Amino acid sequence: AQSVTQPDIHITVSEGASLELRCNYSYGATPYLFWYVQSPGQGLQLLLKYFSGDTLVQGIKGFEAEFKRSQSSFNLRKPSVHWSDAAEYFCAVGALQGAQKLVFGQGTRLTINP
Amino acid sequence: EPEVTQTPSHQVTQMGQEVILRCVPISNHLYFYWYRQILGQKVEFLVSFYNNEISEKSEIFDDQFSVERPDGSNFTLKIRSTKLEDSAMYFCASYRSNLAYTFGSGTRLTVV
Repeated sequence: AQSVTQPDIHITVSEGASLELRCNYSYGATPYLFWYVQSPGQGLQLLLKYFSGDTLVQGIKGFEAEFKRSQSSFNLRKPSVHWSDAAEYFCAVGALQGAQKLVFGQGTRLTINP
Repeated sequence: EPEVTQTPSHQVTQMGQEVILRCVPISNHLYFYWYRQILGQKVEFLVSFYNNEISEKSEIFDDQFSVERPDGSNFTLKIRSTKLEDSAMYFCASYRSNLAYTFGSGTRLTVV
C-alpha cells in the first residue's frame, strides 16, 4: 500500500527566502506524485505532478519538485517565496494504474514572515 | 478551465440527521471520488466510483455512507445518521486520464 510522509508539520520562512518542503513516499512500483496547495478554507489546487521522464518538474506559481527514486523523495522547492504562498501544502501519491485513489501526506503548513 | 462544483459550501446538521452532499464532476470524466479532511488533519480517501458502481472504498466508508450518480451529471455522498465525528471538509474529485484529477472546493459539514 502507498504511504506519504511529510516530516515538517510547520515551516516558517521569510519573504524572498528559498523554500524546500520535504516529501517521502512508500510504494512498491513507479509512483505518480503530486503536490497540492490549500489556502485556508479553500479546496485543493494542483501545483505539479510527476509521472515519468524528466525528474525535475515545473509547476504553477514558480514551484518545482524533484523526483529522486533512490531516496523515495519528491521535495517541493521555490527559489523566492511571496507572502501569498502562505498555505498548507500536501504531497500525494497515486498508484501506477492511473485512476486509483490518491494517498495524501499529513501536510506542511507554511508561514511567511514579512 | 472545467471545474468540479460542490454544493453546499457549508452545511450544519444535527446529530442523527441524514445529509446529502452534492457534486457536479467535469462532464467527460469517468472516475469520481470522495475524500474528507477532518480539521487540522490530512485528506483521507473515502470512496471511488466508476461505471455506476463503487470501485474501491476505505474502512471509513461504512454502512452509514452511500454514493450515487442519479442522473449522469450529479455525484452525491449520503451520510444516513450523522455523528459528531463526521464533521469535516468533504471533497469531491473527478478524473479522466493523464493524471488529471480535479478537486472541488469542498463542503464543510458541521454536525452539532
